[in-house]
Amino acid sequence: LAKTTQPISMDSYEGQEVNITCSHNNIATNDYITWYQQFPSQGPRFIIQGYKTKVTNEVASLFIPADRKSSTLSLPRVSLSDTAVYYCLILATGGFKTIFGAGTRLFVKA
Amino acid sequence: NAGVMQNPRHLVRRRGQEARLRCSPMKGHSHVYWYRQLPEEGLKFMVYLQKENIIDESGMPKERFSAEFPKEGPSILRIQQVVRGDSAAYFCASSPPKNPLPEAFFGQGTRLTVV
Repeated sequence: LAKTTQPISMDSYEGQEVNITCSHNNIATNDYITWYQQFPSQGPRFIIQGYKTKVTNEVASLFIPADRKSSTLSLPRVSLSDTAVYYCLILATGGFKTIFGAGTRLFVKA
Repeated sequence: NAGVMQNPRHLVRRRGQEARLRCSPMKGHSHVYWYRQLPEEGLKFMVYLQKENIIDESGMPKERFSAEFPKEGPSILRIQQVVRGDSAAYFCASSPPKNPLPEAFFGQGTRLTVV
């Protein structure tokens, strides 16, 4: 299992862009970079997944440099409801046997 | 289409009792995964089941824990003779046959408290 390192916590204000970086130095060729969001007392929810370069959906963008040893989740114009824990995972295609890690606790202030 | 349903949401057991956690996957999903989350920690994989089969139980403790996913009915995670260290949130996820994570959807979890 590829190990990931991400900040323990981050603070932001409403309307700002938030970038959360994850390091994954031993990512393998078949691995995908995947981000989940978890609110208190709820299960994780898939946000975005990418393999290389940039991926964007209606919720976030994911930036992956050429060496794929890190990635950055970008949340545009956060709101109070984006306060949650964000997990960076490295998953092989069809992978499920994973450890989510402690994640990054994002706290958005008014 | 209802999401992944877990019950009970909260379960309190005394040390030595048995805990049964239920997970009903989303309609059309035949794969179920169980994860455990200790307080202030991330989720850890426990077991992967398909209907009537355990595919991977490498994350399950060797003793007291078992899981099943019968042909009919929900998946059950069973913990016998619970101890205080079993207190955690247990999450179930389900997916269609094609691909597990990230297409898997998680339930809201069962919070087990052992007193």
